[in-house]
Amino acid sequence: EAGVTQFPSHSVIEKGQTVTLRCDPISGHDNLYWYRRVMGKEIKFLLHFVKESKQDESGMPNNRFLAERTGGTYSTLKVQPAELEDSGVYFCASSPGTKRGADTQYFGPGTRLTVL
Amino acid sequence: SQQGEEDPQALSIQEGENATMNCSYKTSINNLQWYRQNSGRGLVHLILIRSNEREKHSGRLRVTLDTSKKSSSLLITASRAADTASYFCATPNFGNEKLTFGTGTRLTIIP
Repeated sequence: EAGVTQFPSHSVIEKGQTVTLRCDPISGHDNLYWYRRVMGKEIKFLLHFVKESKQDESGMPNNRFLAERTGGTYSTLKVQPAELEDSGVYFCASSPGTKRGADTQYFGPGTRLTVL
Repeated sequence: SQQGEEDPQALSIQEGENATMNCSYKTSINNLQWYRQNSGRGLVHLILIRSNEREKHSGRLRVTLDTSKKSSSLLITASRAADTASYFCATPNFGNEKLTFGTGTRLTIIP
């Protein structure tokens, strides 16, 4: 079974440009999460989808970030316009949703975003 | 305030020795999870321990949980060079599933 995949693995853009990150969760997983690790700090939650609905987006830093999950399958995270402080590693994770509060979240390899 | 804090922040040991990392958290939990991140790679789930469990084993890993002290420890026995990585504890919030991560322990195994 394929794991969580993320694309691209690396992205280098200039300040003010737009970048879209993609995450493909494990097939059949209802829950999809985005996290990021900025400048070697702790990994922080961004948002949580249950199927196509945003369950919790309390971690989204500002309105320059837009996440979608079309049809409850893959998800995209768009940053527009990108700022220097957006640099970091963006992780996606998925879980089945069958054991509330006890599901293991399976993480993708992350997308390393560098904003110059 | 930060939910999870690992101790120590960095640890270097000789190959074959045991490595112990500690994690403290502040709120009530349903479970606590440990993850590993190798340099430049994604997070790998190592082990999940539920709040009603005190100890759990998986291969060379041993995790303990003390809910009265709000702390957990991860022991890696007979360390190998491949264990070099950053280790994070994480706890899900009650009522939702988002994980709160600690700052991590950077473990270096010296061959």
